[in-house]
Amino acid sequence: DIQMTQSPSTLSAYVGDRVTISCRASQIINRWLAWFQQKPGKAPKLLLFDASSLQSGVPSRFSGSGSGTEFTLTINSVQPDDFATYYCQQYNTYPWTFGQGTKVEIK
Amino acid sequence: QVQLQESGPGLVKPSETLSLTCSVSGGSISGYYWSWIRQPPGKGLEWVGYIYYSGSTKYNPTLESRVTISADTSKNEVSLELSSVTAADTAVYFCARSTPPYIGVMRDWGQGTQVTVSS
Repeated sequence: DIQMTQSPSTLSAYVGDRVTISCRASQIINRWLAWFQQKPGKAPKLLLFDASSLQSGVPSRFSGSGSGTEFTLTINSVQPDDFATYYCQQYNTYPWTFGQGTKVEIK
Repeated sequence: QVQLQESGPGLVKPSETLSLTCSVSGGSISGYYWSWIRQPPGKGLEWVGYIYYSGSTKYNPTLESRVTISADTSKNEVSLELSSVTAADTAVYFCARSTPPYIGVMRDWGQGTQVTVSS
């Protein structure tokens, strides 16, 4: 299986900060990567797919980059509604696998 | 707007079979891929497998010997069966929809249903 490793596991930020989350794949996955946001007790919400394509309805302060094995999710000017856990997911190879999650907390 | 709703017993005994249903409203299951994903308490997400509405399936090898996913176009629902369950199968189970050709992009999710394995 392809292992997805996110860093950091937790980060604290002030409202308005720029937040960056990294996701590393154990094998090349081209650009077949999605990012999700999950709040407690809720289902994951798709933010981006194909590494950098913004899902319809998602604010433009979310962006993604990367290819191969290294990927980044950036939140420009993090808002109160953005404090949540974020997961990356690869869909290059079966079984599809997720990172362990990055929790973004309010500082 | 499509809505997905998971349902099933919240408590299953060890060694028994877990059976869940994902009921789809606001759209047809035809033409789409339907995945099941689970999340143990306080942990991350694990993809269980998917079915194309016509019946082709793909399962996570770690669960393949115990899992069956089926689709019923007449009822507009997708089902999950997981046999010989243990406490390790305790999780929230989600169903999700993908649109070809973006098979791996799970755009629409149900709210999830909690399943506890305990005697």
